[in-house]
Amino acid sequence: EVQLVESGGGLVQPGRSLKLSCAASGFTFSNYYMAWVRQAPTKGLEWVASITNSGGSTYYRDSVKGRFTISRDNAKSTLYLQMDSLRSEDTATYYCTRRVYYGYYFDYWGQGVMVTVSS
Amino acid sequence: DTVLTQSPALAVSPGERVSISCRASEGVNSYMHWYQQKPGQQPKLLIYKASNLASGVPARFSGSGSGTDFTLTIDPVEADDTATYFCQQSWNDPYTFGAGTKLELK
Repeated sequence: EVQLVESGGGLVQPGRSLKLSCAASGFTFSNYYMAWVRQAPTKGLEWVASITNSGGSTYYRDSVKGRFTISRDNAKSTLYLQMDSLRSEDTATYYCTRRVYYGYYFDYWGQGVMVTVSS
Repeated sequence: DTVLTQSPALAVSPGERVSISCRASEGVNSYMHWYQQKPGQQPKLLIYKASNLASGVPARFSGSGSGTDFTLTIDPVEADDTATYFCQQSWNDPYTFGAGTKLELK
């Protein structure tokens, strides 16, 4: 059974940093692209960042470029999102997702972790 | 960015057929996908690439469309289908989602 379990969320002040983790199990992690998708309270979904299966290439939405860094450790089957210079508009539930290579859709989602940016 | 427009809400009775639409501001080929999100839960993939049923999803769900106009159909609707349904395109960068259609049962 595929499982994605996020951790690391919480309350953080604007301008500070936070690092999210996603522990994957039930599949060969190193074979899959992965991504983070977020959802602001009572809002819709927004793709944040993606990473290739090897970790060699990364992609970001414009609003987080230069502030967020997606990475992975295939030996530990873990995905990360380092979030720096956080802003109030980054407040959201962050979902770890598995991305299907050929269709570019997200076939499994974690339960999500809440990040609140507030003073 | 490609904007996906969905109707905000629908209300149907159990046993009826419901169609949920998603219109893209520019062509997305067949790279449109549908997700179901129940309150307090993560989204779940229902349909990928316009018309392909995801693993484990009941055959009551189906998808159609290409280009800019897409439809998710549930037939017949069951009480458990109360949820918000999101479309997502992956043809144009960045991937974008619709705002969601909240389906309520009468």
